[in-house]
Amino acid sequence: GESVGLHLPTLSVQEGDNSIINCAYSNSASDYFIWYKQESGKGPQFIIDIRSNMDKRQGQRVTVLLNKTVKHLSLQIAATQPGDSAVYFCAERKLDTGRRALTFGSGTRLQVQP
Amino acid sequence: ETGVTQSPTHLIKTRGQQVTLRCSSQSGHNTVSWYQQALGQGPQFIFQYYREEENGRGNFPPRFSGLQFPNYSSELNVNALELDDSALYLCASSLLLDSTYGYTFGSGTRLTVV
Repeated sequence: GESVGLHLPTLSVQEGDNSIINCAYSNSASDYFIWYKQESGKGPQFIIDIRSNMDKRQGQRVTVLLNKTVKHLSLQIAATQPGDSAVYFCAERKLDTGRRALTFGSGTRLQVQP
Repeated sequence: ETGVTQSPTHLIKTRGQQVTLRCSSQSGHNTVSWYQQALGQGPQFIFQYYREEENGRGNFPPRFSGLQFPNYSSELNVNALELDDSALYLCASSLLLDSTYGYTFGSGTRLTVV
């Protein structure tokens, strides 16, 4: 399939290690944030979301942290597996008039070494 | 429950031509958005449809237009194709206009303009 993100920042981790992917967002008025995983040839796949009134949310093997003071979002993946290799995007939603669009970051490629 | 399906998966068009891309929303979803993803970048919002009406639009020229049908399926039409229109076009559906359940993406249509 098509390769997504040929020139993206890359995070390389060993299988079994924890991964941390960071994202800076732009609009302090954003109310909702989502992390997506995109594998080659596929559309973005929902991982986890968090609302702006929360600081932390946990899912299965994943945790999202939100720091509104510095407008920073992070995705932590525990015990990273080869199947986690993909491009990861953070997205923010701004409830401005007439638009409920998602604004995506530029993405980070995660490579898991066996 | 079916996911979001897009057709065709790949398409090659000549500059100046017109193209129509199709999307079937996930069952029960009444909101559909279209995104353009250039190689190496995150998806960019084109527009959103809710109950057959355009609800918001990104920074794309009028030659990008769309439709949503009563069964919530959708079309993206692009007229007067330019080389820079080459990209992966993604359709995303959600249950509600202000959904906080995330947006389900299709696998996209890879458009190449030559």
